[in-house]
Amino acid sequence: GAGVSQSPSNKVTEKGKDVELRCDPISGHTALYWYRQRLGQGLEFLIYFQGNSAPDKSGLPSDRFSAERTGGSVSTLTIQRTQQEDSAVYLCASSSYLQVASTDTQYFGPGTRLTVL
Amino acid sequence: AQKVTQAQTEISVVEKEDVTLDCVYETRDTTYYLFWYKQPPSGELVFLIRRNSFDEQNEISGRYSWNFQKSTSSFNFTITASQVVDSAVYFCALSEVNTNAGKSTFGDGTTLTVKP
Repeated sequence: GAGVSQSPSNKVTEKGKDVELRCDPISGHTALYWYRQRLGQGLEFLIYFQGNSAPDKSGLPSDRFSAERTGGSVSTLTIQRTQQEDSAVYLCASSSYLQVASTDTQYFGPGTRLTVL
Repeated sequence: AQKVTQAQTEISVVEKEDVTLDCVYETRDTTYYLFWYKQPPSGELVFLIRRNSFDEQNEISGRYSWNFQKSTSSFNFTITASQVVDSAVYFCALSEVNTNAGKSTFGDGTTLTVKP
């Protein structure tokens, strides 16, 4: 497709289970970003990838959160031992840039709504 | 540290009124980018504008206009002759180039309701 896609669109899980969220960026976009949006709140930066590497992991809330990107394309955000506070919409975005600093426009996917019971 | 403040949590106007959404930012970088995004009820964020820190010219796009003032660290967004379809949450965001390359900081958003 032409835009950023994310799957699943909705995920309901039980506390303590692991979940994997997937993001397919726009073809050719070298940068990929993950954000978390809690209900009624703004976006919270989690991590970004430049190619397959993640220069900045400072936004990950805890060591239960990890992300990887392979082949410079698809990215997976994994949350281990989920907690109720992890419930949120997880948004992925991609952008195209050639320099170290990401200053290009980010195009967002529809998000994955995670509910931890 | 970078910070974006959108002091207006909610704004309600009647169709055809003009409305301005405020955005104030903090950054130690001299080079940065500012953005506005729209998040309609469907949930998907839509890019509206990007402005770099060296360009303080105001920009107009149809009914939308943006006023960037470095002296007050503000990047305000005005919708002229608002329409019901403008109802959404609007986010202002900042991307630094040097100290936190790749990290975007978003404000908490302003919920705009345009009533017919």
